[in-house]
Amino acid sequence: NAGVTQTPKFQVLKTGQSMTLQCAQDMNHEYMSWYRQDPGMGLRLIHYSVGAGITDQGEVPNGYNVSRSTTEDFPLRLLSAAPSQTSVYFCASSLRRGNTEAFFGQGTRLTVV
Amino acid sequence: LAKTTQPISMDSYEGQEVNITCSHNNIATNDYITWYQQFPSQGPRFIIQGYKTKVTNEVASLFIPADRKSSTLSLPRVSLSDTAVYYCLVVSYSGNTPLVFGKGTRLSVIA
Repeated sequence: NAGVTQTPKFQVLKTGQSMTLQCAQDMNHEYMSWYRQDPGMGLRLIHYSVGAGITDQGEVPNGYNVSRSTTEDFPLRLLSAAPSQTSVYFCASSLRRGNTEAFFGQGTRLTVV
Repeated sequence: LAKTTQPISMDSYEGQEVNITCSHNNIATNDYITWYQQFPSQGPRFIIQGYKTKVTNEVASLFIPADRKSSTLSLPRVSLSDTAVYYCLVVSYSGNTPLVFGKGTRLSVIA
């Protein structure tokens, strides 16, 4: 049982480049979300999805896009990378929103230079 | 959603019991208290959840007084591998809000 899989684990981007962080879950969970974590900080919610075809903004959505075409996948797109987006990104899934047992991926460490 | 307050950091020696208290004065009737654990370079992991009184599992115990304005996560006989950040969350079981993480409590276990 793979759980939540994030790729890549590490990425270095130049300012202005775009890229997609991949997230896939095999637990048939309705709810998926993306967080970013900066050094010494808690996790901040970027975007979330309550099901295929439905997405919404979290606390810090600017500079990021998401889509949810299937239940399994929830990619996060950086449109034009900026140094302020240097962070560790975590994808999470749970059976439904508000369900307290969320499963997190291992994270993607992104550096924008 | 109720705001939570917990200590920024705690130190403990191996073998001791560690209690981390979380304050959530504005908790609503439909809210549950949930704790997550995060090891360095990993995503958070669900530890325990409760509504009132006491909940125990193989990892920890959670104590919630009758007024539910605070809760205490208890880790029995900690080891070096319990060094992690522990997050207290208040979650609406009606499902109207996503999980909101604060800065958590950084627990350092010393040999």
